[in-house]
Amino acid sequence: KAGVTQTPRYLIKTRGQQVTLSCSPISGHRSVSWYQQTPGQGLQFLFEYFSETQRNKGNFPGRFSGRQFSNSRSEMNVSTLELGDSALYLCASSPEVHNTEAFFGQGTRLTVV
Amino acid sequence: GENVEQHPSTLSVQEGDSAVIKCTYSDSASNYFPWYKQELGKGPQLIIDIRSNVGEKKDQRIAVTLNKTAKHFSLHITETQPEDSAVYFCAASNYGQNFVFGPGTRLSVLP
Repeated sequence: KAGVTQTPRYLIKTRGQQVTLSCSPISGHRSVSWYQQTPGQGLQFLFEYFSETQRNKGNFPGRFSGRQFSNSRSEMNVSTLELGDSALYLCASSPEVHNTEAFFGQGTRLTVV
Repeated sequence: GENVEQHPSTLSVQEGDSAVIKCTYSDSASNYFPWYKQELGKGPQLIIDIRSNVGEKKDQRIAVTLNKTAKHFSLHITETQPEDSAVYFCAASNYGQNFVFGPGTRLSVLP
């Protein structure tokens, strides 16, 4: 069974640009959650999607958004990038809503210069 | 909201010794407690989890204990091996809610 696939693995963007990250969950999983990981703040919850609906949202500015498609694949978008957005963005896949087993992808390392 | 503390932040043990990492949580409604291992350059890997209706769970060299009254849970690794070296994260959540992670413990197993 294939794991969680995140693309791209690495990204370098300039301040002010926008970026889209992609996550393909484990086959059959319907929930996708996104987390930001930084050395200073650790793992912080961004949002969760289940059946194409955002169920939960963390405490991040509106520049961070996401969506989920009918095949459960998810994308997250960050607009007007800031230096502080540099982080590892992780996607977690769960069979049902969050609070069941969650399996993470390898992440997308975003560097904003 | 939920707050999870984790100790110690770094831990060094000799190969073959045991390692214990402790977490405390603040929300008594939390009922699911997973542990993740993250190696350099990789995403977190689920290694064991426990629900609030269980006091202890074991999987080979790894065990987790939960004390609901005291609101703390611990990860126990026995007979440590160099490949156990990684950063370990605990987390807590209530049904349908996101995970709140601890800050992590960097475990080094010295040969």
